Amino acid sequence: DIQLTQSPSLLSASVGDRVTITCRASQHISVHLAWYQQKPGKAPKLLIHGASSLQSGVPSRFSGSGSGTEFTLSISSLQPEDFATYYCQQLNWYPLSFGPGTKLEIK
Amino acid sequence: EELLVESGGGLIQPGGSLRLACTGSGINIMANYMSWVRQAPGKGLEWVSVTHDGGYSHYTDSVKGRFTISRDRSRNTLYLQMDKLRPADTAFYFCARGGGGPNPSNFAAFDIWGQGTMVTVSS
Repeated sequence: DIQLTQSPSLLSASVGDRVTITCRASQHISVHLAWYQQKPGKAPKLLIHGASSLQSGVPSRFSGSGSGTEFTLSISSLQPEDFATYYCQQLNWYPLSFGPGTKLEIK
Repeated sequence: EELLVESGGGLIQPGGSLRLACTGSGINIMANYMSWVRQAPGKGLEWVSVTHDGGYSHYTDSVKGRFTISRDRSRNTLYLQMDKLRPADTAFYFCARGGGGPNPSNFAAFDIWGQGTMVTVSS
């Protein structure tokens, strides 16, 4: 099974900051990785698929990169609505798996 | 608007059974790969199962032999039959569109999610 790790687990930042979250896979997964944003009490929202493709309707300040085993999600200029928990997910093979999450909080 | 609505959650004793439903509006449940994802209180996301037409389904190891995913064309509804429930199955359960494709390079990310339904397994 493919394991995903995320770093950091907690990220404190301010509005306007640029932040980066890293996701590492235990095996090579090509670009079969997605990123989600989840706010308390809500369902996750798809941000990025195929490691770097922005989902329709998602602001362009979000971007993804990487391939193989290391991936990043970047937010270029944090907005108040971006404070949430972020998860990566591998879609290379079953069982599908999610990373443990990165909580982005206001500094 | 494409919408998924879950139902069927509740409080159930260990060893009991529960069937969750996920009804699509503006989405053809039968024409898409459909998954269940769960989230224990205060914890992260865990993929549970996926299905597609033709009897194709996969499960995470911890639910194999206990959970069964299925669909009803006439009701445009996805189901998760959960048997032999354990306290560790306590979670919010979401259905989502995605989780498969003709080959791994086409596995669809989860682009539409329901609002979730809570399952509590406790005596």
